[in-house]
Amino acid sequence: GDSVTQMEGPVTLSEEAFLTINCTYTATGYPSLFWYVQYPGEGLQLLLKATKADDKGSNKGFEATYRKETTSFHLEKGSVQVSDSAVYFCASGGRYSGGGADGLTFGKGTHLIIQP
Amino acid sequence: NAGVMQNPRHLVRRRGQEARLRCSPMKGHSHVYWYRQLPEEGLKFMVYLQKENIIDESGMPKERFSAEFPKEGPSILRIQQVVRGDSAAYFCASSARGGGEDTQYFGPGTRLTVL
Repeated sequence: GDSVTQMEGPVTLSEEAFLTINCTYTATGYPSLFWYVQYPGEGLQLLLKATKADDKGSNKGFEATYRKETTSFHLEKGSVQVSDSAVYFCASGGRYSGGGADGLTFGKGTHLIIQP
Repeated sequence: NAGVMQNPRHLVRRRGQEARLRCSPMKGHSHVYWYRQLPEEGLKFMVYLQKENIIDESGMPKERFSAEFPKEGPSILRIQQVVRGDSAAYFCASSARGGGEDTQYFGPGTRLTVL
């Protein structure tokens, strides 16, 4: 079945540092790829998405590019803020990705801590 | 436009009791998904429903768990005879279309604690 692997946390950075959170996926088809963010005690919020190879999703200074050749969707931000502290989830989904036809497959999450 | 709503936000049950979790999708969305998040884990897909139909329940435990999405009213995830291992956060998501490519919008979750 499908799977998503993302780097283990916690990841601790200083404010204004460059952020990369790695994410790789396995799928039998061509899934859409997503990054969700979860703040303490809240549900998941969509951060960005990409639906086909070479697409770049971007939002709030975060970016991720759908790399089919490396099956990756790494999340990046040039200058992080304290308010970016949260748990970040990479996910794959799509009718042709195999497994549950419409359910998303999530990574375990990466806890990001930004220090002032 | 209200987002996905879930209630209750917190639910405490004793072993053997029943838990009912409710989810109202975003306005205009007819596709509902339930996920479970165990401590320190990512979300695991449980079930996908449209109005009056279960489309995909491949992630549902075989016993004690059931879900419905009636013609009127919210979607319900029902857990009978709860056990401690059912303690988790349960998230509902909705989308305007199915197919997985469509963005799923998540509710705030129900945190179930089984004593």
